Amino acid sequence: QKEVEQNSGPLSVPEGAIASLNCTYSDRGSQSFFWYRQYSGKSPELIMSIYSNGDKEDGRFTAQLNKASQYVSLLIRDSQPSDSATYLCAVTIGPNTGNQFYFGTGTSLTVIP
Amino acid sequence: DTAVSQTPKYLVTQMGNDKSIKCEQNLGHDTMYWYKQDSKKFLKIMFSYNNKELIINETVPNRFSPKSPDKAHLNLHINSLELGDSAVYFCASSQVPLKGRSNEKLFFGSGTQLSVL
Repeated sequence: QKEVEQNSGPLSVPEGAIASLNCTYSDRGSQSFFWYRQYSGKSPELIMSIYSNGDKEDGRFTAQLNKASQYVSLLIRDSQPSDSATYLCAVTIGPNTGNQFYFGTGTSLTVIP
Repeated sequence: DTAVSQTPKYLVTQMGNDKSIKCEQNLGHDTMYWYKQDSKKFLKIMFSYNNKELIINETVPNRFSPKSPDKAHLNLHINSLELGDSAVYFCASSQVPLKGRSNEKLFFGSGTQLSVL
């Protein structure tokens, strides 16, 4: 299993604050990077993907990638109670014939109203 | 239409039994996966199939045997179930884009909660 590390949390932030989630990965051959959100009892759903160094913004979400430091992060601005979930970092490793998605251990986020 | 469907949603069984979980995707994807998610939410890849061929087997006991009759189906059979097999099992599929990676995405089924008593 390729290593993808996240702080397990729980991370608690007040409503309206910025939530910052971090992820590191061990395989320098990692090619693509994703953040998934998983509500309790549900399957993971993709919220952000990033492929090159720098920032990528989508609404209240910003993903940041630093391949030199093997680090990817997710910022959630103006956090809402509906953002309370487990956030999973994922990376793909492998040849183009079926990229392999490896997940981190997940960070539990609670947004306090 | 459900993109990735797996059955059953819940499976409760005794130790030592044999059980199967079925998965089908109607997205036309070439690659399908089985993941195991434990109680701490760690989502661990078990198997990956590309066009019916096994690509990855991540140190999974040989009591677990995947079967892919065609690229739209990937079933998981588990022999001699053990207490430690209790978890949520997710089927997923993906398609490597022809150009670039802008639409690379993993689609999940709704999960099968397996409880071994």
